Amino acid sequence: AQKVTQAQTEISVVEKEDVTLDCVYETRDTTYYLFWYKQPPSGELVFLIRRNSFDEQNEISGRYSWNFQKSTSSFNFTITASQVVDSAVYFCALSGENSGGYQKVTFGTGTKLQVIP
Amino acid sequence: GAGVSQSPRYKVAKRGQDVALRCDPISGHVSLFWYQQALGQGPEFLTYFQNEAQLDKSGLPSDRFFAERPEGSVSTLKIQRTQQEDSAVYLCASSFGGVEETQYFGPGTRLLVL
Repeated sequence: AQKVTQAQTEISVVEKEDVTLDCVYETRDTTYYLFWYKQPPSGELVFLIRRNSFDEQNEISGRYSWNFQKSTSSFNFTITASQVVDSAVYFCALSGENSGGYQKVTFGTGTKLQVIP
Repeated sequence: GAGVSQSPRYKVAKRGQDVALRCDPISGHVSLFWYQQALGQGPEFLTYFQNEAQLDKSGLPSDRFFAERPEGSVSTLKIQRTQQEDSAVYLCASSFGGVEETQYFGPGTRLLVL
C-alpha cells in the first residue's frame, strides 16, 4: 500500500518569506514517481514537478525548489521569496511501478498555503 | 492546445436524482482517470481507462457509480440515485499513458447533493 503524509494542514507566511512544505511517503515499490501539484482557488490541479525514485538530484525552477531524500522518504518543496499568487493548496502525490502499467496516484491531504501581503 | 475540460462545473442535485459528469481529455491522450475530492482532502482514485477499455474501477465507491468512454475520447461519470455523501468535486485527468507519464487535470465538477 502507498501512503503520502503532509503533516502541515495550513501555513501562513508574510510575502517575501521562504516557506517549505513537507511531504513524507511510504511505498514498497523500488521504482516510483513523486509529484507536486498546486490547486488554486479555481480548483484545477496544476502540475509542478515529477521525480522518479532513481533521481535524487534536487531541482530548482525559479523560486521553486524540491529536496528529494530517499533515506528519509521525503520530498519537500520550498518556495523562495513567496508571493501572494503562491496562495493555494499544494498536494504531494505518489505512484508506483506495481500499478498495473499505469499511473495510479495516491495523493496527500494537502497543505494550504496563505501568503499575506 | 486545449487542456482537459469538464462539464458542468457545478451541479446541484436532489437526493435520489441521477447525474452525468462529462470529461473531454487532451487530444491524443490514451489514459483517462476519474478522481473524487472531498472537502479538505486530496483527490482519491475512482477509475482508469486506456482508450475505451476500463481497466481499473477499484475506486468506485458503490455500484451507483458508473463510468464509460465508448470511443476512447470523451468520458462520462454517472452517479445513480445520488446520496448526500456523494457531494464532492469530481476531477478528470488524462495522460499519454504509462507509469512515468504526468497526469493533467481538468477544473473539476463540484457536485452538491441536497
